[in-house]
Amino acid sequence: DAGVIQSPRHEVTEMGQEVTLRCKPISGHNSLFWYRQTMMRGLELLIYFNNNVPIDDSGMPEDRFSAKMPNASFSTLKIQPSEPRDSAVYFCASLRGGSYNEQFFGPGTRLTVL
Amino acid sequence: QQQVKQSPQSLIVQKGGIPIINCAYENTAFDYFPWYQQFPGKGPALLIAIRPDVSEKKEGRFTISFNKSAKQFSLHIMDSQPGDSATYFCAASITGAQKLVFGQGTRLTINP
Repeated sequence: DAGVIQSPRHEVTEMGQEVTLRCKPISGHNSLFWYRQTMMRGLELLIYFNNNVPIDDSGMPEDRFSAKMPNASFSTLKIQPSEPRDSAVYFCASLRGGSYNEQFFGPGTRLTVL
Repeated sequence: QQQVKQSPQSLIVQKGGIPIINCAYENTAFDYFPWYQQFPGKGPALLIAIRPDVSEKKEGRFTISFNKSAKQFSLHIMDSQPGDSATYFCAASITGAQKLVFGQGTRLTINP
């Protein structure tokens, strides 16, 4: 299995631009998580989906952030407009139902907003 | 009450030493406590996990000690090696709830 796939791996953009991060979960996993990691705040859960349905988006920082999961094999996290404080590493993770909560993380997308 | 508090933030140990990382929680409904290991440039990966029906679990050189009454658990690494240098996260969850609550992380450095 290829594991969780994220793209792009690195993104540099200017303040005010739209940014879209992409994630392909492991085949057969039915839960998907988006996290943000910074030195100051550690690993924060932004949103998670179960069977493509958003279950908890309480970690989404503000309306500039949105996430979608149109099917079981693809999810996006969009930031519009981006701000310098959004600079972080964004991770996607997936979990197979009944697997006792082991989440498999992707390699992350390092986002820099200038 | 959903927080997991982790300490220390950073730790430096000589090769062969036994680093210990501690975590504390408040929510007594938590019943699954994993540790994740993260190398630079990589995503976190599950290292070892424990449920509160046991007080200790060992996997190779890694041991979790669990104190249910104190609501604390810790990770010990025996005979530590430079290759163990990484960031370690403790976490907690409730069975059936996919969401994990992570600690702040500990950056561990093992000097040769």
